[in-house]
Amino acid sequence: EVQLVESGGGLIQPGGSLRLSCAASGFIFDSHWMHWVRQAPGEGLVWVSSISPDGTTPVYADSVKGRFTISRDNARNTLYLQMNSLRAEDTAVYFCAREVCGGGDCKLFDSWGQGGLVTVSS
Amino acid sequence: DIVMTQTPLSSPVTLGQPASIACRSSQSLVHNDGNIYLSWLQQRPGQPPRLLIYKNSKRFSGVPDRFSGSGAGTDFTLKISRVEAEDVGVYYCMQATHFPYTFGQGTKLEIK
Repeated sequence: EVQLVESGGGLIQPGGSLRLSCAASGFIFDSHWMHWVRQAPGEGLVWVSSISPDGTTPVYADSVKGRFTISRDNARNTLYLQMNSLRAEDTAVYFCAREVCGGGDCKLFDSWGQGGLVTVSS
Repeated sequence: DIVMTQTPLSSPVTLGQPASIACRSSQSLVHNDGNIYLSWLQQRPGQPPRLLIYKNSKRFSGVPDRFSGSGAGTDFTLKISRVEAEDVGVYYCMQATHFPYTFGQGTKLEIK
C-alpha cells in the first residue's frame, strides 16, 4: 500500500525556517516525480514545487522561488521541503503527492499525504 | 501562468440527480506529446485530495463510473451522472501540461 506521511510542520515566526519531510513507503520511490501542494486555511489547492526521480530537476512556483528548496533522499525514501524566510502568506497545510507515469499515462497525482500544517505568525 | 476557471463555485444538487462542473483554461492544455494533462480531484472535508479523472477523460482506478470527464482545447467538464451523499466535497480541476501546474478555484458540491 502506498503511504505518504508528512512531518515537521508547526508554528514559526515570520522570517524563520522550517523543514517538512514526507516519508514514502509501499512503492519504488526513486521512480517517481514528487510534488508539494499547499492549501491555505479555507482556500484552494496551490502547486508549490516538484522534483524529478533522481533529484536533479527541481521546479518551483514563483511565490516560493529563492526561499524554498525541494530535495529528496532516495536511500531513505523521503521527500523534503526546506522553507526559509517564511511569511504569513505561507501559512497552509502542505501536502506531498506522488506522480505516476507508466503504461502510456503520465502526470497522475495518484497518492497524497494527509498534509502537515505550517503556521507563520508572531 | 495558465489560469484555470471553474464554474459554478457552488453546486447544490438533489440526490440522484446529475451534476456538472466546468473548467476553462486560459491557454491550450495540449502537451507537446499530444496529450491533455487535465485532471479532476475531489476533496472531502478534512481529507487530502483524491484523484478522480486524469488525462481529461480517464477514470482513475476505483472511481465509480458515475464520474466522467470530457473536453477539448480550453473547455473541460466533470459530470456526475447521479449524485450520491458521499460525493459531497470540493472538486478541483488541475492542469499538469505546463509548469507551473495550476488548479481551478474549486467547486463545492452540496446536497439540497
